[in-house]
Amino acid sequence: AQSVTQLDSQVPVFEEAPVELRCNYSSSVSVYLFWYVQYPNQGLQLLLKYLSGSTLVKGINGFEAEFNKSQTSFHLRKPSVHISDTAEYFCAVSALTGGGNKLTFGTGTQLKVEL
Amino acid sequence: EAGVAQSPRYKIIEKRQSVAFWCNPISGHATLYWYQQILGQGPKLLIQFQNNGVVDDSQLPKDRFSAERLKGVDSTLKIQPAKLEDSAVYLCASSPWTSGSSTYEQYFGPGTRLTVT
Repeated sequence: AQSVTQLDSQVPVFEEAPVELRCNYSSSVSVYLFWYVQYPNQGLQLLLKYLSGSTLVKGINGFEAEFNKSQTSFHLRKPSVHISDTAEYFCAVSALTGGGNKLTFGTGTQLKVEL
Repeated sequence: EAGVAQSPRYKIIEKRQSVAFWCNPISGHATLYWYQQILGQGPKLLIQFQNNGVVDDSQLPKDRFSAERLKGVDSTLKIQPAKLEDSAVYLCASSPWTSGSSTYEQYFGPGTRLTVT
């Protein structure tokens, strides 16, 4: 079984400042890793994913994340945030094999960008 | 390409009533998922279909929840009778994934917000 821990429930940040949203996972098998964003009253939208290869992955809207296998982490970063980045962000994992492509989500981090 | 469609968007019912949600996945997607997202939590998988067969329903409360995916396309999720703790957003997602494939992205619909009073 897999589990995901998002260490911060809320992250306030000023516009144009950098931000990092933390995600740690636990799994007995190799996993795929994802970050999703959820705007109010909307479904989840994929920001980026790590399947294999380079541990630094780039996604939409200027976000990037780095997979660290030894730390079992997949932190999300953006060098300069915008008001429109205010949303809930979810980290998720899927087992590499035998998992049926099921996603296990963290509890989410609310990013609030202030002027 | 049209996304995942869900209806209704909002539903308010009293406890012990029944309710049904509908999902239309992206055309051609073999796999369909229903997730429950309680306020302040991440989505939790309720049931997964591949075509019209159930892959995983281990977290579906089968005494009150049921789901079907007739003809391997649209799906309905039903709750009967509803409890207060069923208040949540119910998300439907679809994926082109099939057993043995390497495509893992899931596409989510806007969700149905259920309030049980």
